[in-house]
Amino acid sequence: DTGVSQDPRHKITKRGQNVTFRCDPISEHNRLYWYRQTLGQGPEFLTYFQNEAQLEKSRLLSDRFSAERPKGSFSTLEIQRTEQGDSAMYLCASSYRGYEQYFGPGTRLTVT
Amino acid sequence: GESVGLHLPTLSVQEGDNSIINCAYSNSASDYFIWYKQESGKGPQFIIDIRSNMDKRQGQRVTVLLNKTVKHLSLQIAATQPGDSAVYFCAENPQAGTALIFGKGTTLSVSS
Repeated sequence: DTGVSQDPRHKITKRGQNVTFRCDPISEHNRLYWYRQTLGQGPEFLTYFQNEAQLEKSRLLSDRFSAERPKGSFSTLEIQRTEQGDSAMYLCASSYRGYEQYFGPGTRLTVT
Repeated sequence: GESVGLHLPTLSVQEGDNSIINCAYSNSASDYFIWYKQESGKGPQFIIDIRSNMDKRQGQRVTVLLNKTVKHLSLQIAATQPGDSAVYFCAENPQAGTALIFGKGTTLSVSS
């Protein structure tokens, strides 16, 4: 499979726990984006990387959210001390030239 | 603020009809637009894109029209099929390579 992959596909956690999601972009894509999508809404941008540099993180929802892309390949998104309001689909996308962004299948987070 | 909206939340058509999904954008500086299709439980799927120096672009069974004067974007699907049933989002990119801004989406239902 040469598309964007995300793991896990589903995550159920209890409020207050930390969770980490992984995204593997399309090979050769140097830009990687994280979005969040709640029911009935379009994806909402969180942060993005060019290679290993995080170029925009002001849209991260709070300081409980952080993302890394240490070697410029896969990326992780961590949410600390999860809250029920964090329940959503977390989407990853990648692009090569910065235009076409291709999305992965998403990680569905449920906080109980 | 910056936002992308869609005119209709739902659209129902018969198989074989042509479908037109509309979108209004607010940022006149946006120079790149994408249409995505999202099926239930999946990530958005890239359909077609257009840059601001064009007013029309055609793909396989799909056409995107851009009217910069009134900041309007549309997606035309020819000979709509049941497999086209999904939520369609338009997205704008105010600056190449950065965040996409999505609207709320139009749910297309195709009956046979």
